[in-house]
Amino acid sequence: QKEVEQNSGPLSVPEGAIASLNCTYSDRGSQSFFWYRQYSGKSPELIMSIYSNGDKEDGRFTAQLNKASQYVSLLIRDSQPSDSATYLCAVNEGTGRRALTFGSGTRLQVQP
Amino acid sequence: NAGVTQTPKFQVLKTGQSMTLQCAQDMNHNSMYWYRQDPGMGLRLIYYSASEGTTDKGEVPNGYNVSRLNKREFSLRLESAAPSQTSVYFCASSVLAQVGETQYFGPGTRLLVL
Repeated sequence: QKEVEQNSGPLSVPEGAIASLNCTYSDRGSQSFFWYRQYSGKSPELIMSIYSNGDKEDGRFTAQLNKASQYVSLLIRDSQPSDSATYLCAVNEGTGRRALTFGSGTRLQVQP
Repeated sequence: NAGVTQTPKFQVLKTGQSMTLQCAQDMNHNSMYWYRQDPGMGLRLIYYSASEGTTDKGEVPNGYNVSRLNKREFSLRLESAAPSQTSVYFCASSVLAQVGETQYFGPGTRLLVL
């Protein structure tokens, strides 16, 4: 059973702080990694994708990938109350099945 | 450009009833997917269609059937609903079903089976 693991939270950070969200995956053959944000009662929306080891930055968001440790993270700088949501880590395996395997999500709360 | 649309938004069924969840996309994507989301379990793949005319089972296909009606539409059918199928169902699409492809999600259908 290929797995994607996330801490369910809630992760509570003050407004303006850095929020760090973590994800581990079990399939070493995984090749692409995604972070989706999901507000309560809404559908997931893509925040970041990353395919190579290292960091990828997009505005206040930075995705970090370490394939040797099978670890991917999302950093949110200058956190805002509007960032309060559940963040889903998703992994696309390198062979065979083409759909995404999702973690159960981490709930982030940004306190004003 | 509506993206991915789903109908109905909400449905209540009795055990044993059947229904079809509809999904359509207007982005000219080749691949479409059906997921279910249960509390604390993330999204799980039910079925997907890599291209028009093909369908494949996902992680939790039992109790469901799908039809890729044309390039735009991908429906999910529950032949005999069970309380365990109470969930939120999301349809998604991507240009291709390949590594690195971004999936775009519809607004979801909330299903309650009594």
